[in-house]
Amino acid sequence: DGGITQSPKYLFRKEGQNVTLSCEQNLNHDAMYWYRQDPGQGLRLIYYSQIVNDFQKGDIAEGYSVSREKKESFPLTVTSAQKNPTAFYLCASSPGQKGTDTQYFGPGTRLTVL
Amino acid sequence: EDQVTQSPEALRLQEGESSSLNCSYTVSGLRGLFWYRQDPGKGPEFLFTLYSAGEEKEKERLKATLTKKESFLHITAPKPEDSATYLCAVQDSNTGKLIFGQGTTLQVKP
Repeated sequence: DGGITQSPKYLFRKEGQNVTLSCEQNLNHDAMYWYRQDPGQGLRLIYYSQIVNDFQKGDIAEGYSVSREKKESFPLTVTSAQKNPTAFYLCASSPGQKGTDTQYFGPGTRLTVL
Repeated sequence: EDQVTQSPEALRLQEGESSSLNCSYTVSGLRGLFWYRQDPGKGPEFLFTLYSAGEEKEKERLKATLTKKESFLHITAPKPEDSATYLCAVQDSNTGKLIFGQGTTLQVKP
């Protein structure tokens, strides 16, 4: 079964801690993305990667970091510098072809700061 | 500045009562417009991509249409299982990024 997996489903973080959210895809997609979703707001882009070993900041990258060492994996680290990290985090991937490029989403990770 | 606005924010329908959701957009260049369905606590599920004004796509009780300024998601004879939040997004042809609206939450009562 092809798809995108995210783990864990729920994550609790204490103040001052860094946490890493996992995202894996077996769709053979080149591009991967991280979004943040807050109640009543549209999805906001944190980071994206169009190819292995390369990634770009999105609209709200401050306090986050990523890596793309493998095509299948795009982990997101929420650092202690992120002022308000409590949110629903969504990972997506797309084939990466030029032109219109449909993004497919994982099931999400809900992060709560205690 | 690119912007996507969805209306209404929330919609309550009786089972079988048809209606439409609106997605208005402002973008420098439209590469595509996307509709997604999102159930509570889950990731968005892809529904449709529309590329140019006049285009229409259908899937079961859903039909999406596109003009130069907006898109409509028409729901014909909805059932309770159609209850979800529907998200609209446009892809900017200059940046390639998706810009999302805030969503319309649909509740269909039996």
